[in-house]
Amino acid sequence: GAVVSQHPSRVICKSGTSVKIECRSLDFQATTMFWYRQFPKKSLMLMATSNEGSKATYEQGVEKDKFLINHASLTLSTLTVTSAHPEDSSFYICSALDRSRVNEQFFGPGTRLTVL
Amino acid sequence: GQNIDQPTEMTATEGAIVQINCTYQTSGFNGLFWYQQHAGEAPTFLSYNVLDGLEEKGRFSSFLSRSKGYSYLLLKEPQMKDSASYLCAVREDSSYKLIFGSGTRLLVRP
Repeated sequence: GAVVSQHPSRVICKSGTSVKIECRSLDFQATTMFWYRQFPKKSLMLMATSNEGSKATYEQGVEKDKFLINHASLTLSTLTVTSAHPEDSSFYICSALDRSRVNEQFFGPGTRLTVL
Repeated sequence: GQNIDQPTEMTATEGAIVQINCTYQTSGFNGLFWYQQHAGEAPTFLSYNVLDGLEEKGRFSSFLSRSKGYSYLLLKEPQMKDSASYLCAVREDSSYKLIFGSGTRLLVRP
């Protein structure tokens, strides 16, 4: 099956710093990737849709200036949490869409962000 | 608005059949997905329905009724390793983004 990687898997940072999370599709090209956030024992909440070569589309209530998304190539999307605060601590998961298999969205292993 | 409901928790006995229900009310419909997620891991794809009826895939089957806004995931002969969260997700339109339900935590006991 298709493989999606995320880096780093875990990150701990101080309040006020920025953190970049990478999402890569390893064996297919992904013109579209999605970023989700998941709080403990909760479901996935879609944050934004990342489109290669264009601006990301953010869901209602998600601050685009705080969660910067860059999709510069067909295999890489990055999410930067700017000026992170403890309430941003969460599990961030990306998924990538393989357009030849649109009925299977492939998820990365997730990044656990802890902001002190 | 969007509303996708699942039971919060369920328990099952090894070897019995377990059914996890999902009801949805969304502005559009372009497919329903079931994912399995173990704690701290990424969701893994289980099944996809876009037409009414039952889709079978090994020990997992999924049913859809679009007129009722209803789906269920059926797991035959559950094993303790199947203890996980099961997420129902709806694709509303051609944007391919998924709206997830709250998930059902399934505990399989011996």
